[in-house]
Amino acid sequence: DADVTQTPRNRITKTGKRIMLECSQTKGHDRMYWYRQDPGLGLRLIYYSFDVKDINKGEISDGYSVSRQAQAKFSLSLESAIPNQTALYFCATSRGESGEEKLFFGSGTQLSVL
Amino acid sequence: RKEVEQDPGPFNVPEGATVAFNCTYSNSASQSFFWYRQDCRKEPKLLMSVYSSGNEDGRFTAQLNRASQYISLLIRDSKLSDSATYLCVVSSRNTNAGKSTFGDGTTLTVKP
Repeated sequence: DADVTQTPRNRITKTGKRIMLECSQTKGHDRMYWYRQDPGLGLRLIYYSFDVKDINKGEISDGYSVSRQAQAKFSLSLESAIPNQTALYFCATSRGESGEEKLFFGSGTQLSVL
Repeated sequence: RKEVEQDPGPFNVPEGATVAFNCTYSNSASQSFFWYRQDCRKEPKLLMSVYSSGNEDGRFTAQLNRASQYISLLIRDSKLSDSATYLCVVSSRNTNAGKSTFGDGTTLTVKP
């Protein structure tokens, strides 16, 4: 079983719909992240959470919200999806100790907004 | 200027070739450096961390030059299976507490 699991793997939706992407992990890591990747580009940070009571905006948080329901669960919501949110979304975790910023990724969710 | 910059390539090399990628970063407070490998439409996977003294893992060698703020990845004896996109990742532990910044990636294609 994957250590970081994202659902769904693929989603097609229409403009204006509310969408939730879910992420769960069995690695026991405190830190969780949501990134998006557009074709030919690197990953850009949407939101991150260093523990259950900690939520922080990343570089591109507009139009997104998150919820850290438990140490193992971190969900990403698009309140009203728009076409330029079409992208590949990755959830990631890290241990968070000094020098241990290695990221472990889920398999990704391909979201298409029509 | 982007925080982390990479030559996008593509690099097209024959099997057995040696290829090197460079990556520059702008935040002098950066503390941790990594190379990730990403296959098409798949998740990035950690290839190796980069240490100040330089480090090697089989055919892969990573080096860090803090004075010039760049890191490099050298792949020797390229294999077909090395074809992928290589992402340079930089992390800072001060004001950006632990957040990682990704380069846009360098695409490598190894040909028979």
